[in-house]
Amino acid sequence: GAGVSQSPRYKVTKRGQDVALRCDPISGHVSLYWYRQALGQGPEFLTYFNYEAQQDKSGLPNDRFSAERPEGSISTLTIQRTEQRDSAMYRCASSEQAGAYEQYFGPGTRLTVT
Amino acid sequence: TQLLEQSPQFLSIQEGENLTVYCNSSSVFSSLQWYRQEPGEGPVLLVTVVTGGEVKKLKRLTFQFGDARKDSSLHITAAQPGDTGLYLCAGFDNYGQNFVFGPGTRLSVLP
Repeated sequence: GAGVSQSPRYKVTKRGQDVALRCDPISGHVSLYWYRQALGQGPEFLTYFNYEAQQDKSGLPNDRFSAERPEGSISTLTIQRTEQRDSAMYRCASSEQAGAYEQYFGPGTRLTVT
Repeated sequence: TQLLEQSPQFLSIQEGENLTVYCNSSSVFSSLQWYRQEPGEGPVLLVTVVTGGEVKKLKRLTFQFGDARKDSSLHITAAQPGDTGLYLCAGFDNYGQNFVFGPGTRLSVLP
């Protein structure tokens, strides 16, 4: 595709439900990043992948959050037993190579937990 | 976790003025990137600085990486309303394992 896409763009869910957020990176990009961003704040790093390997998941808030990228392309961020405090904009980014290369950001998924 | 701090948090200036925003850390970064983010959009990369002491210019924007690679600055000359946005610094730590963004400087340039 032309850019990074994310789906759904908006998700409203009830507390306690599980949600899966999808990221489709730019074709061929090696690295894929997940962030959470509060309004007016910088992105908060969650985790990232080089190819299918998860490099660092130290930013995941707790064990309800998990991510996978099984074939080194599309990635899914899963939040189990959602809580109201999980409400945020979740952004995905991809970069051509691993390391300090330009990250191209997707439009984000706005998650609201009621 | 290595943290990046940015100052000022907010900046409102008149068109034509010059300004500098800062990005600081107590830790060494292998490189730093500057992004600009507009409301409702994702961040867009402006520049990557890699070498301590490096200065890069992008039209009216001048970026500098500190000699010790712990800080960086962004200077805008003759600011324009189109420069309005959230300016974020970001980078991998010296071990390349942890990527962090600063909290950002929200710039508003008034016509």
